[in-house]
Amino acid sequence: NAGVTQTPKFQVLKTGQSMTLQCAQDMNHNSMYWYRQDPGMGLRLIYYSASEGTTDKGEVPNGYNVSRLNKREFSLRLESAAPSQTSVYFCAQAEGGDQPQHFGDGTRLSIL
Amino acid sequence: QKEVEQNSGPLSVPEGAIASLNCTYSDRGSQSFFWYRQYSGKSPELIMFIYSNGDKEDGRFTAQLNKASQYVSLLIRDSQPSDSATYLCAVKGYSGAGSYQLTFGKGTKLSVIP
Repeated sequence: NAGVTQTPKFQVLKTGQSMTLQCAQDMNHNSMYWYRQDPGMGLRLIYYSASEGTTDKGEVPNGYNVSRLNKREFSLRLESAAPSQTSVYFCAQAEGGDQPQHFGDGTRLSIL
Repeated sequence: QKEVEQNSGPLSVPEGAIASLNCTYSDRGSQSFFWYRQYSGKSPELIMFIYSNGDKEDGRFTAQLNKASQYVSLLIRDSQPSDSATYLCAVKGYSGAGSYQLTFGKGTKLSVIP
């Protein structure tokens, strides 16, 4: 898993429920990322954190919030889940912003 | 809007042949280029990256970059059935304030026929 641990691996939610997806890296790297992957859409960046204490929006941030709790952990929160957020969510880490990114195993999220 | 285009495939090649995967990108300021392999139901796995014009070889894989044409390719020599996967092209560009972002193509599905 390239030093990235995501929990949970699978989750089913009802519309309107909230949930936090957890991501932790053991590489002591600065940059962390959250992507979603949908059929026919490819991987799209939701939020990223270039370093501890900073977060920035990516291509599709609406409906999500993030927290870079410390250098190791970067969580993604859905405050009020919608069926359009059904997707596979990947967390990634990189040594620095211009270095290759390495992905966790993903969280498969279904919202009914 | 930065775009990365790939032929969705499927690209079918016989075992032992060379598979050629292509990618074009829109942002002329892009600085680094990555190829990921993704098996069905799994996460993307980095297989190659290239920063400079020309070829970069790693085992059976060769990445080729032509910045003037905004084109990057991946060649897989002696293709094996285990190479059957979706290959994602990713392009990194500077997005301001010391940050870089990857833009992914939608991927090319490769099928290696025994």
